[in-house]
Amino acid sequence: EDQVTQSPEALRLQEGESSSLNCSYTVSGLRGLFWYRQDPGKGPEFLFTLYSAGEEKEKERLKATLTKKESFLHITAPKPEDSATYLCAVHGSSNTGKLIFGQGTTLQVKP
Amino acid sequence: DAGVIQSPRHEVTEMGQEVTLRCKPISGHDYLFWYRQTMMRGLELLIYFNNNVPIDDSGMPEDRFSAKMPNASFSTLKIQPSEPRDSAVYFCASSRGGRGLGYEQYFGPGTRLTVT
Repeated sequence: EDQVTQSPEALRLQEGESSSLNCSYTVSGLRGLFWYRQDPGKGPEFLFTLYSAGEEKEKERLKATLTKKESFLHITAPKPEDSATYLCAVHGSSNTGKLIFGQGTTLQVKP
Repeated sequence: DAGVIQSPRHEVTEMGQEVTLRCKPISGHDYLFWYRQTMMRGLELLIYFNNNVPIDDSGMPEDRFSAKMPNASFSTLKIQPSEPRDSAVYFCASSRGGRGLGYEQYFGPGTRLTVT
């Protein structure tokens, strides 16, 4: 059964303090790993898709990386506006079209 | 381009009443998903469609829930009768799948349902 586990559940950082969020997964035939950002009262917003181990993608202060067992979302010099819940999801070969989501990491960046 | 559109944005109803949530997916997307999100259980997939056909409804909690997709641009999620434990935020999402495509899902703003 495809499974996604995110850690930590919550993370508090000072503005400018870099850190990483972890997404561990087990999936039969990874077809894609996705990162989303969710702000309170809003729907998840798509950030990145990673397809194969070794792949990296960047957007502003965020960089996502992928290995065969996990993905990291690195946040460099975060700002208060980066505060949100970050969700990880996988698409496996046994679940055409369906994504399996983790529980999310809630990030708070204090000024 | 317009994103996924959901209505209503907020719904307050009494226990036992019928509730209908509506969704318009992004044009050209062939997958549509209904999710429910609560603090306790996180984001749960209820049902999804491909080309208007239900593919997996194993997440639908019970027979009180039903979903339809009569055409490529419209879907409904109905709860009848509603119960207080159905209170949650319901999201609709759509994606475009197929060989060489990413299956990235795009979410609507959600409907916050409160059943009293």
